[in-house]
Amino acid sequence: DVKVTQSSRYLVKRTGEKVFLECVQDMDHENMFWYRQDPGLGLRLIYFSYDVKMKEKGDIPEGYSVSREKKERFSLILESASTNQTSMYLCASSPPGQGQETQYFGPGTRLLVL
Amino acid sequence: EDKVVQSPLSLVVHEGDTVTLNCSYEVTNFRSLLWYKQEKKAPTFLFMLTSSGIEKKSGRLSSILDKKELSSILNITATQTGDSAIYLCAVVASNSGYALNFGKGTSLLVTP
Repeated sequence: DVKVTQSSRYLVKRTGEKVFLECVQDMDHENMFWYRQDPGLGLRLIYFSYDVKMKEKGDIPEGYSVSREKKERFSLILESASTNQTSMYLCASSPPGQGQETQYFGPGTRLLVL
Repeated sequence: EDKVVQSPLSLVVHEGDTVTLNCSYEVTNFRSLLWYKQEKKAPTFLFMLTSSGIEKKSGRLSSILDKKELSSILNITATQTGDSAIYLCAVVASNSGYALNFGKGTSLLVTP
């Protein structure tokens, strides 16, 4: 079974803090993704990565950056957290080749920025 | 701009009912459409439909892709309370790098 883990289930931070959300997958997947999910807006893609040290902007990258130093780990960074970044953050991964559309999701991190 | 629209946004049914969830899309260079089920936490994969595989079935769930109408339906027969969840439709375009473009989801509640 594919396993995608996220470092925290719940996180509370203050405005202006630097926040790191970590995601690890154990299936040697090439592709990794970060989404945020908000009521009424659905899941929106923040950043994704096809390989180590590669990154691509998604639909809403502003205020975020990412890091992929190792294949199994994809980190989302909020350089200076703001209240409008309060959300559920979901990480996903998918394999290379056929079926790489099929993404496997982690359990999510619910972030509250005060 | 690519668009994925799901309807209805929410639905309440009784156990045993059959439900049909809809997903329509406007996507340049369509590649595939996926359905996910999301309960308390992570979305879990249900089906993937492509031009070469337009109908899928698993137990009480089935899905069809209508390439002409640019839409898909997800059918659930003999619903159970465990089917209560948010059902997400997502579309992949050939030029999107396999990133999923999600609709806003349909929230289904099955009452006993």
